[in-house]
Amino acid sequence: DIHMTQSPSTLSASVGDRVTITCRATENINKWLAWYQQKPGKVPSLLIYDASNLGDGVPSRFSGSGSGTEFTLTISSLQTDDFATYYCHKYGGDFGQGTKVEIK
Amino acid sequence: EVQLVESGGGLVKPGESLRLSCAASGLTLNDAWMNWVRQAPGKGLEWVGRIKSQSYGGTIEYAAPVKDRFTISRDHSKNTLFLQMNSLKTEDTAVYYCLTADYGKYWGQGTLVTVSS
Repeated sequence: DIHMTQSPSTLSASVGDRVTITCRATENINKWLAWYQQKPGKVPSLLIYDASNLGDGVPSRFSGSGSGTEFTLTISSLQTDDFATYYCHKYGGDFGQGTKVEIK
Repeated sequence: EVQLVESGGGLVKPGESLRLSCAASGLTLNDAWMNWVRQAPGKGLEWVGRIKSQSYGGTIEYAAPVKDRFTISRDHSKNTLFLQMNSLKTEDTAVYYCLTADYGKYWGQGTLVTVSS
Protein backbone atom coordinates (compact mmCIF):
# COMPACT_ATOMS: atom_id res chain seq x y z
CA ASP A 1 0.00 0.00 0.00
CA ILE A 2 1.07 3.56 -0.68
CA HIS A 3 1.39 5.73 2.41
CA MET A 4 1.30 9.50 2.65
CA THR A 5 3.48 11.47 5.07
CA GLN A 6 2.60 15.10 5.67
CA SER A 7 4.77 17.69 7.40
CA PRO A 8 4.85 19.61 9.59
CA SER A 9 2.08 18.40 11.90
CA THR A 10 1.70 21.89 13.36
CA LEU A 11 2.73 25.21 11.92
CA SER A 12 2.65 28.57 13.72
CA ALA A 13 2.46 31.56 11.42
CA SER A 14 1.35 35.17 11.24
CA VAL A 15 -1.08 36.90 8.91
CA GLY A 16 0.78 37.73 5.71
CA ASP A 17 3.29 34.89 6.02
CA ARG A 18 4.05 32.52 3.16
CA VAL A 19 3.27 28.99 4.30
CA THR A 20 4.32 25.69 2.76
CA ILE A 21 3.08 22.20 3.67
CA THR A 22 4.70 19.07 2.25
CA CYS A 23 3.21 15.69 1.46
CA ARG A 24 5.30 12.68 0.44
CA ALA A 25 4.13 9.39 -1.04
CA THR A 26 6.00 6.13 -0.58
CA GLU A 27 5.58 5.38 -4.30
CA ASN A 28 4.96 7.33 -7.48
CA ILE A 29 1.35 8.58 -7.57
CA ASN A 30 1.78 10.82 -10.64
CA LYS A 31 -0.47 13.82 -9.99
CA TRP A 32 -3.29 11.96 -8.26
CA LEU A 33 -3.41 14.09 -5.14
CA ALA A 34 -5.84 16.51 -3.55
CA TRP A 35 -5.57 19.02 -0.70
CA TYR A 36 -8.39 19.82 1.72
CA GLN A 37 -8.98 22.45 4.39
CA GLN A 38 -10.96 21.66 7.51
CA LYS A 39 -12.08 24.08 10.20
CA PRO A 40 -13.20 22.85 13.65
CA GLY A 41 -16.62 21.22 13.56
CA LYS A 42 -16.92 21.64 9.79
CA VAL A 43 -16.88 19.35 6.78
CA PRO A 44 -13.57 19.39 4.88
CA SER A 45 -13.52 21.43 1.68
CA LEU A 46 -11.53 20.90 -1.50
CA LEU A 47 -8.65 23.29 -2.19
CA ILE A 48 -6.54 21.59 -4.88
CA TYR A 49 -7.08 18.58 -7.15
CA ASP A 50 -4.77 16.76 -9.54
CA ALA A 51 -1.88 18.19 -7.46
CA SER A 52 -2.04 21.69 -8.90
CA ASN A 53 -5.57 22.61 -10.01
CA LEU A 54 -7.45 25.12 -7.88
CA GLY A 55 -10.90 24.07 -6.72
CA ASP A 56 -13.96 26.14 -7.53
CA GLY A 57 -14.04 29.40 -5.61
CA VAL A 58 -10.71 28.79 -3.87
CA PRO A 59 -8.67 31.99 -3.47
CA SER A 60 -5.63 32.31 -5.71
CA ARG A 61 -3.30 32.63 -2.70
CA PHE A 62 -3.54 28.83 -2.50
CA SER A 63 -1.43 26.80 -4.89
CA GLY A 64 -0.32 23.21 -5.24
CA SER A 65 2.68 21.72 -6.94
CA GLY A 66 4.53 18.46 -7.37
CA SER A 67 4.18 15.08 -8.99
CA GLY A 68 5.45 11.60 -8.39
CA THR A 69 6.25 11.35 -4.68
CA GLU A 70 6.62 14.91 -3.42
CA PHE A 71 3.92 17.56 -3.27
CA THR A 72 3.48 20.97 -1.68
CA LEU A 73 0.60 23.20 -0.73
CA THR A 74 1.53 26.88 -0.54
CA ILE A 75 -0.43 29.78 0.88
CA SER A 76 1.25 32.87 -0.52
CA SER A 77 -0.03 35.34 2.10
CA LEU A 78 -1.78 33.79 5.09
CA GLN A 79 -5.14 35.32 5.98
CA THR A 80 -7.15 35.05 9.20
CA ASP A 81 -9.62 32.73 7.47
CA ASP A 82 -6.82 30.28 6.66
CA PHE A 83 -6.14 29.14 10.21
CA ALA A 84 -7.33 25.56 9.92
CA THR A 85 -6.12 22.00 9.42
CA TYR A 86 -4.94 20.88 5.99
CA TYR A 87 -4.84 17.35 4.60
CA CYS A 88 -3.35 15.81 1.49
CA HIS A 89 -5.09 12.79 -0.02
CA LYS A 90 -3.93 10.23 -2.54
CA TYR A 91 -6.87 9.30 -4.71
CA GLY A 92 -8.40 6.04 -3.57
CA GLY A 93 -6.05 5.76 -0.64
CA ASP A 94 -4.37 7.35 2.36
CA PHE A 95 -4.74 10.82 3.73
CA GLY A 96 -1.78 12.60 5.21
CA GLN A 97 -1.82 13.04 8.99
CA GLY A 98 -2.86 16.68 8.73
CA THR A 99 -1.17 20.03 9.34
CA LYS A 100 -2.72 22.41 11.83
CA VAL A 101 -1.95 26.03 10.95
CA GLU A 102 -2.04 28.11 14.13
CA ILE A 103 -1.73 31.77 14.90
CA LYS A 104 1.79 32.69 16.01
CA GLU B 1 -26.54 21.58 -7.38
CA VAL B 2 -25.10 18.38 -5.98
CA GLN B 3 -26.22 17.34 -2.51
CA LEU B 4 -25.14 14.30 -0.53
CA VAL B 5 -27.05 13.42 2.62
CA GLU B 6 -25.83 10.66 4.93
CA SER B 7 -28.02 8.88 7.44
CA GLY B 8 -28.04 5.75 9.56
CA GLY B 9 -25.48 6.58 12.21
CA GLY B 10 -26.04 5.82 15.86
CA LEU B 11 -24.87 4.01 18.96
CA VAL B 12 -24.13 0.29 18.66
CA LYS B 13 -22.27 -2.30 20.73
CA PRO B 14 -19.03 -3.96 19.65
CA GLY B 15 -19.72 -6.84 17.26
CA GLU B 16 -22.98 -5.35 16.00
CA SER B 17 -23.80 -4.10 12.50
CA LEU B 18 -24.97 -0.82 11.03
CA ARG B 19 -25.81 0.37 7.52
CA LEU B 20 -25.13 3.94 6.47
CA SER B 21 -26.88 5.57 3.52
CA CYS B 22 -25.84 8.46 1.32
CA ALA B 23 -28.67 9.88 -0.76
CA ALA B 24 -27.57 11.91 -3.77
CA SER B 25 -29.29 14.64 -5.74
CA GLY B 26 -27.90 16.51 -8.72
CA LEU B 27 -25.61 13.57 -9.37
CA THR B 28 -26.27 10.09 -10.79
CA LEU B 29 -24.41 7.72 -8.51
CA ASN B 30 -24.26 5.00 -11.14
CA ASP B 31 -22.11 7.35 -13.24
CA ALA B 32 -19.96 8.58 -10.36
CA TRP B 33 -16.95 7.39 -8.43
CA MET B 34 -17.64 7.74 -4.72
CA ASN B 35 -15.58 7.56 -1.52
CA TRP B 36 -16.41 6.84 2.08
CA VAL B 37 -14.12 8.63 4.53
CA ARG B 38 -14.26 8.71 8.33
CA GLN B 39 -12.91 10.88 11.11
CA ALA B 40 -12.58 9.64 14.66
CA PRO B 41 -13.16 12.25 17.39
CA GLY B 42 -10.25 14.67 17.49
CA LYS B 43 -8.35 12.74 14.81
CA GLY B 44 -7.52 13.11 11.13
CA LEU B 45 -9.32 11.94 8.03
CA GLU B 46 -9.18 8.25 7.15
CA TRP B 47 -10.13 6.81 3.78
CA VAL B 48 -12.54 3.88 4.13
CA GLY B 49 -13.23 2.80 0.56
CA ARG B 50 -14.20 3.72 -2.99
CA ILE B 51 -16.64 2.50 -5.62
CA LYS B 52 -16.05 3.26 -9.28
CA SER B 53 -18.80 4.09 -11.75
CA GLN B 54 -20.68 1.35 -13.54
CA SER B 55 -18.83 2.18 -16.77
CA TYR B 56 -15.60 1.29 -14.92
CA GLY B 57 -17.09 -1.99 -13.77
CA GLY B 58 -18.23 -0.72 -10.39
CA THR B 59 -14.91 -1.85 -8.88
CA ILE B 60 -14.80 -1.46 -5.10
CA GLU B 61 -11.67 -0.98 -2.98
CA TYR B 62 -11.32 -0.89 0.81
CA ALA B 63 -8.80 0.30 3.35
CA ALA B 64 -7.06 -2.49 5.23
CA PRO B 65 -8.69 -1.77 8.65
CA VAL B 66 -12.21 -2.33 7.25
CA LYS B 67 -11.65 -4.90 4.53
CA ASP B 68 -13.75 -8.04 5.08
CA ARG B 69 -16.02 -6.19 7.56
CA PHE B 70 -17.40 -3.27 5.53
CA THR B 71 -19.22 -3.43 2.19
CA ILE B 72 -19.92 -0.55 -0.19
CA SER B 73 -22.88 -0.78 -2.54
CA ARG B 74 -25.36 1.44 -4.35
CA ASP B 75 -28.99 1.33 -5.39
CA HIS B 76 -29.45 2.87 -8.82
CA SER B 77 -33.24 3.19 -8.44
CA LYS B 78 -32.88 5.16 -5.19
CA ASN B 79 -29.69 6.97 -6.26
CA THR B 80 -28.26 6.03 -2.89
CA LEU B 81 -24.86 4.79 -1.76
CA PHE B 82 -24.54 2.42 1.19
CA LEU B 83 -21.88 1.39 3.66
CA GLN B 84 -22.70 -1.87 5.42
CA MET B 85 -20.57 -2.18 8.54
CA ASN B 86 -20.33 -5.54 10.30
CA SER B 87 -18.40 -6.75 13.32
CA LEU B 88 -18.01 -3.19 14.51
CA LYS B 89 -15.16 -2.32 16.86
CA THR B 90 -14.72 0.57 19.28
CA GLU B 91 -12.05 1.97 16.94
CA ASP B 92 -14.70 2.35 14.21
CA THR B 93 -16.23 5.20 16.21
CA ALA B 94 -16.15 8.20 13.88
CA VAL B 95 -18.07 10.61 11.73
CA TYR B 96 -18.56 8.93 8.36
CA TYR B 97 -18.67 11.02 5.20
CA CYS B 98 -19.63 10.13 1.65
CA LEU B 99 -17.95 12.24 -1.02
CA THR B 100 -17.27 12.23 -4.71
CA ALA B 101 -14.11 10.54 -5.97
CA ASP B 102 -11.38 10.70 -6.97
CA TYR B 103 -11.29 14.06 -5.26
CA GLY B 104 -13.96 15.31 -2.91
CA LYS B 105 -15.53 18.18 -4.77
CA TYR B 106 -18.76 17.35 -2.95
CA TRP B 107 -19.09 16.04 0.60
CA GLY B 108 -22.05 15.04 2.71
CA GLN B 109 -22.51 16.52 6.16
CA GLY B 110 -21.44 13.28 7.86
CA THR B 111 -23.13 10.86 10.22
CA LEU B 112 -21.77 9.85 13.63
CA VAL B 113 -21.23 6.20 14.45
CA THR B 114 -20.44 5.36 18.06
CA VAL B 115 -19.36 1.85 18.97
CA SER B 116 -19.40 1.33 22.71
CA SER B 117 -20.49 -1.23 25.24
